[in-house]
Amino acid sequence: GAVVSQHPSRVICKSGTSVKIECRSLDFQATTMFWYRQFPKKSLMLMATSNEGSKATYEQGVEKDKFLINHASLTLSTLTVTSAHPEDSSFYICRARGQDRASGAWVLTFGAGSRLTVL
Amino acid sequence: QKEVEQNSGPLSVPEGAIASLNCTYSDRVSQSFFWYRQYSGKSPELIMSIYSNGDKEDGRFTAQLNKASQYVSLLIRDSQPSDSATYLCAATTTGTYKYIFGTGTRLKVLA
Repeated sequence: GAVVSQHPSRVICKSGTSVKIECRSLDFQATTMFWYRQFPKKSLMLMATSNEGSKATYEQGVEKDKFLINHASLTLSTLTVTSAHPEDSSFYICRARGQDRASGAWVLTFGAGSRLTVL
Repeated sequence: QKEVEQNSGPLSVPEGAIASLNCTYSDRVSQSFFWYRQYSGKSPELIMSIYSNGDKEDGRFTAQLNKASQYVSLLIRDSQPSDSATYLCAATTTGTYKYIFGTGTRLKVLA
């Protein structure tokens, strides 16, 4: 089935540094990538939507210069948290939509998530 | 403001009992509804989707949708300890793929 490989699964960084999270679609081409953030005991909040080769569309209140999204290929999208601060500590999850190579069916699949802790 | 509301729980049920999870949504435009299970530290996994009023059954799970009342529920029969997780309700308008998620209900199935 359609799998999205997301890494790192956990990352700890110092305040002020930047962290990159990668999501790769396996067995399908991810034409659209959704990036979510989830704080403890809170719901998944959509941060941005990106289509391959286009600039990401950010949700209201999400700083595009702080959360850089790149979706340069149909199998890879990255989220970079720039100048991270403790309040950016959260669970970041990607979700890819695309067509399965084998069946041609459209799929919508979550990555496993990345736990970011900023000290 | 589109919202999906869930009781955060925890909802505790004994093993073998029926667990009933509820969700309400505010946007009448929402057409598609989903239940996800999320274990601690993991991403959500889809359990069921429902688009029409009434009941939809899949194994031990039954989803119920009442669009007039803007209400979605999930019943888990013969609850098992492995069902202990947070259950997220989500709504979307067909074709948009912008899902609105609830905060989730934590279910504890006691052995």
